[in-house]
Amino acid sequence: QVQLVQSGAEVRKPGASVKVSCKASAYTFTSYGISWVRQAPGQGLEWMGWISTYNGNTRYAQKFQGRVSMTTDTSTSTVYMELRSLRSDDTAVYYCARDSGGNAVYWLGYWGQGTLVTVSS
Amino acid sequence: QSVLTQPPSASGTPGQRVTISCSGSSSNLGSNYVYWYQQLPGTAPKLLIYRNDQRPSGVPDRFSASKSGTSASLAISGPRSEDEADYYCASWDDSVSGWVFGGGTKLTVL
Repeated sequence: QVQLVQSGAEVRKPGASVKVSCKASAYTFTSYGISWVRQAPGQGLEWMGWISTYNGNTRYAQKFQGRVSMTTDTSTSTVYMELRSLRSDDTAVYYCARDSGGNAVYWLGYWGQGTLVTVSS
Repeated sequence: QSVLTQPPSASGTPGQRVTISCSGSSSNLGSNYVYWYQQLPGTAPKLLIYRNDQRPSGVPDRFSASKSGTSASLAISGPRSEDEADYYCASWDDSVSGWVFGGGTKLTVL
């Protein structure tokens, strides 16, 4: 069955960067894109952006433009999300989620288990 | 402040029908599908409804949904204790070219 397995929890100081991975399995990797969605403690879901695993094209939410980078490695079926200049309000669980048709507008049908990123001095 | 508006909480007994509303605008619900996600405590969201009213395989038929204009609703007929979770509506938003979510509704089964 489709699986998205994310890297483990991270702790960073304000101003630092973090890179979270999402390894996909049990489907044709380049046929579906990956979105990243985060959830601050006790809060709702927030879409950060999407990457095409086919050609590496990206769409980032305006809020994260200039601070986020999403990359893909087809040799390992892995997508990465790097967030820079971390602030305390970036503390959240970060989820990767697979779209359902190879385009950002297709719904998010499968989700990773989430990665907790804690930003604290 | 979430782009889509949901009530923060909902509750009902196993003999009732519980509905959760989701309100948006012309750039999201008014022109795109609505999706519903269920998030059990401590777990990742799970797709519950896609394309307004379609259930993925494995989702019980006590869950149903509809959309009209810029509003949508999720209904749970005869909720069970295992349905206690947070429920989120979502839609693509043409004005921001991205996904937007509701703030989530916590369902309590009495």
